[in-house]
Amino acid sequence: SQQGEEDPQALSIQEGENATMNCSYKTSINNLQWYRQNSGRGLVHLILIRSNEREKHSGRLRVTLDTSKKSSSLLITASRAADTASYFCATGHSGGSNYKLTFGKGTLLTVNP
Amino acid sequence: DGGITQSPKYLFRKEGQNVTLSCEQNLNHDAMYWYRQDPGQGLRLIYYSQIVNDFQKGDIAEGYSVSREKKESFPLTVTSAQKNPTAFYLCASSVDLIQGSSYNSPLHFGNGTRLTVT
Repeated sequence: SQQGEEDPQALSIQEGENATMNCSYKTSINNLQWYRQNSGRGLVHLILIRSNEREKHSGRLRVTLDTSKKSSSLLITASRAADTASYFCATGHSGGSNYKLTFGKGTLLTVNP
Repeated sequence: DGGITQSPKYLFRKEGQNVTLSCEQNLNHDAMYWYRQDPGQGLRLIYYSQIVNDFQKGDIAEGYSVSREKKESFPLTVTSAQKNPTAFYLCASSVDLIQGSSYNSPLHFGNGTRLTVT
């Protein structure tokens, strides 16, 4: 079963606007990661936020984590056409000696020039 | 430059044939993974390997096999037993799976192999 679920499934905005994507999950996690995927390519890691952190920044990216609500958000500020891609959240959780990273279905972001 | 190389980019096979997808990394990572991506379903884990000569089944291992004879290489064989093999296959690696803070290591992905079986 999928752990993370992104919302919305698709988002279309104009260049210069901010884009916000959300991720909800069901069980406790060690960390939550956001990845980007351009069409037909592999995923690229954007940000990792640990379960004891609430917010992280990287350039134009801001990620928040609310473990009480089991949710995270990814904010891309001042979007560019080059930000057009699918964005996935992945939740990392461990049980004993096993660690598992589970991906959501992604949000397709289109930034119109 | 360090990275993960998957080959070929596109692969076509007839039903009933086994096919092997290549994945090589020069990042000196211990852990390697194979994921399958289908439209609208995100990524699903097929197999993963934490160290050489050891690998574990993921969520959808049936119809697939792997080997890990070298740290750098983690080939995936899609066998004729896999009922719906047509998909985009992604290989990834990370520093380590098991040890302490390495639970927090990100995955590095290759650019994928698109397999079409007819």
